[in-house]
Amino acid sequence: GNSVTQMEGPVTLSEEAFLTINCTYTATGYPSLFWYVQYPGEGLQLLLKATKADDKGSNKGFEATYRKETTSFHLEKGSVQVSDSAVYFCALSTTGNQFYFGTGTSLTVIP
Amino acid sequence: GAGVSQSPRYKVAKRGQDVALRCDPISGHVSLFWYQQALGQGPEFLTYFQNEAQLDKSGLPSDRFFAERPEGSVSTLKIQRTQQEDSAVYLCASSLALWGDEQYFGPGTRLTVT
Repeated sequence: GNSVTQMEGPVTLSEEAFLTINCTYTATGYPSLFWYVQYPGEGLQLLLKATKADDKGSNKGFEATYRKETTSFHLEKGSVQVSDSAVYFCALSTTGNQFYFGTGTSLTVIP
Repeated sequence: GAGVSQSPRYKVAKRGQDVALRCDPISGHVSLFWYQQALGQGPEFLTYFQNEAQLDKSGLPSDRFFAERPEGSVSTLKIQRTQQEDSAVYLCASSLALWGDEQYFGPGTRLTVT
């Protein structure tokens, strides 16, 4: 079946630290992979995506590379800011209409 | 422009009551999704509409759950004879494309069944 396993949180980092949030997946077929972010008090919003192996998605300084050989899609950012404090969800879809989300990783960045 | 809106934002129901949750997608969005999000978990897919057609309802947990989108815009998720295990946040998302590559989520309706 299809599933996403995400790094447990919460994660607390100092401003300008390097961020990695691990995500691995199990899927039938060739999934598209996504990172969604939920800022406090807001709805989920798409952060970045990758639709095939070796693609790199990037947005707002965040990056994730679709690694088929390790079935991973780890989220990285070189220098986090306080405004990056949010909950991050990794997700996959094989059909375009069924999406499977991880449990979310809460990130807090302290000044 | 306006985003996805959901109402009510909070709903408390006694066990056994029926509830109706409304989703107003972004105007012109073809695809509409409903998700259930339990506390501390990620969203779980419930059902998918393409315009007024419900193409996938495989995630609905029981026949007490029913969703409709009769005119291809507003959607309603109805839960009959609510149970405590139905307590969760119900999220609606819409997408311009036929598929959900970029979904825009509403703020959710928090349902508490007492």
